[in-house]
Amino acid sequence: QAVLTQPSSLSASPGASASLTCTLPSGLDIATYRIYWYQQKPGSPPQFLLRYKSDSNQQKGSGVPSRFSGSKDASANAGILVISGLQSDDEAAYHCMIWQNSVGVFGGGTKLTVL
Amino acid sequence: QVQLVQSGAEVKRPGASVKVSCKASGYTFTSVDFNWVRQAPGQGLEWMGSINPNNGNTVYAQKFQGRVTMTRNAPISTVYMELSSLGSEDTAMYYCARWYCSGDSCHLDYWGQGTLITVSS
Repeated sequence: QAVLTQPSSLSASPGASASLTCTLPSGLDIATYRIYWYQQKPGSPPQFLLRYKSDSNQQKGSGVPSRFSGSKDASANAGILVISGLQSDDEAAYHCMIWQNSVGVFGGGTKLTVL
Repeated sequence: QVQLVQSGAEVKRPGASVKVSCKASGYTFTSVDFNWVRQAPGQGLEWMGSINPNNGNTVYAQKFQGRVTMTRNAPISTVYMELSSLGSEDTAMYYCARWYCSGDSCHLDYWGQGTLITVSS
């Protein structure tokens, strides 16, 4: 199955914005996929943040702040999770996922540090 | 409220098998597929497979084909994941999660607390 590429780590300052990328392998067209984003804090299972296919086809998890949004970069064949107004509580691992022929595929996850 | 409660941590010898359970409550058990996801220490998430608790149909990740078996016991609202021929690389936290759909929109909404499986001689 496909492997999704995420940067292993990212650092950003409180109040700034962070863009976390999830790159699909060549041969998979980002336009055709829903990208799922999950947040995971140490010692806890992941939690659903949002799903993004397009601006008109997206869904956020219950209680997820508006600071979290999704987008895509077609030129990079990547899904993007944007977190604006970073807070210390946003420090976590972020995992992207797609479904390919009824099979789930995760990226390697990005550890976001807010400092 | 929806809850998924998994069985406790286990230590296994290389070559052994392990069976993890996930008991659901707070909703109609057969209405939602279950997925199993694992996470090796310090690593990302890895999708293992899914099971439809209504009919027992399964889909497994190619990596685990022939080594994983997912089953369910509907009267007790429990799904199981059995992994055989364990090696040290199978040391991980194993999670069950619901694949919840509302109309056209689906996602993994509720997760179990995780079961730590340690493979060590």
